[in-house]
Amino acid sequence: AQSVTQPDIHITVSEGASLELRCNYSYGATPYLFWYVQSPGQGLQLLLKYFSGDTLVQGIKGFEAEFKRSQSSFNLRKPSVHWSDAAEYFCAVVTILTGGGNKLTFGTGTQLKVEL
Amino acid sequence: ETGVTQSPTHLIKTRGQQVTLRCSSQSGHNTVSWYQQALGQGPQFIFQYYREEENGRGNFPPRFSGLQFPNYSSELNVNALELDDSALYLCASSLEVSGDDPWISSYNEQFFGPGTRLTVL
Repeated sequence: AQSVTQPDIHITVSEGASLELRCNYSYGATPYLFWYVQSPGQGLQLLLKYFSGDTLVQGIKGFEAEFKRSQSSFNLRKPSVHWSDAAEYFCAVVTILTGGGNKLTFGTGTQLKVEL
Repeated sequence: ETGVTQSPTHLIKTRGQQVTLRCSSQSGHNTVSWYQQALGQGPQFIFQYYREEENGRGNFPPRFSGLQFPNYSSELNVNALELDDSALYLCASSLEVSGDDPWISSYNEQFFGPGTRLTVL
């Protein structure tokens, strides 16, 4: 079954520093991969997605992610973190359901803290 | 704001009770998915409804059930509540369309609501 792993439970960075959040996937074919952000008391907001094509994907809020098949990774990056980026970040992969629908399988998340 | 709304925002129940959570999909969306997010975990897929029928189910017992209405709003019902049912319940709506390529057309972005926080005492 498709799955994603986020090795880092918590990450702390200083405002203005660069950020990289790790995500490793397990899937035989080309996966559909996503990064979501969740602020306290909020639902999930889609940052970016990868389906195929260019392996460097640009998203909202200045985030980008790179798909690396050789490493089974889809890491999220941002060159300069803002205090408002403090939140929980989830990597997810799509699984097609037997009935023709689809579901998202999420990692356990990485909590980002930004020091001023 | 995604246009997906959920009610109530918070709910407290006792073990053994039953609960109904509600979701209003984004306008024009015909598919709704429900997820359970326990504290410190990623969301787990409960089930998906498409055109009022269950379209897929995750690893949840039958006491978790759902309904989707003709206006595409949805309910999640949980019977015989257990302490471990305490979680944030998220619904997500999407527009599923058929197409020539079942893989490409089988995924459409899911838009999430803010969730309902359920506490079971």
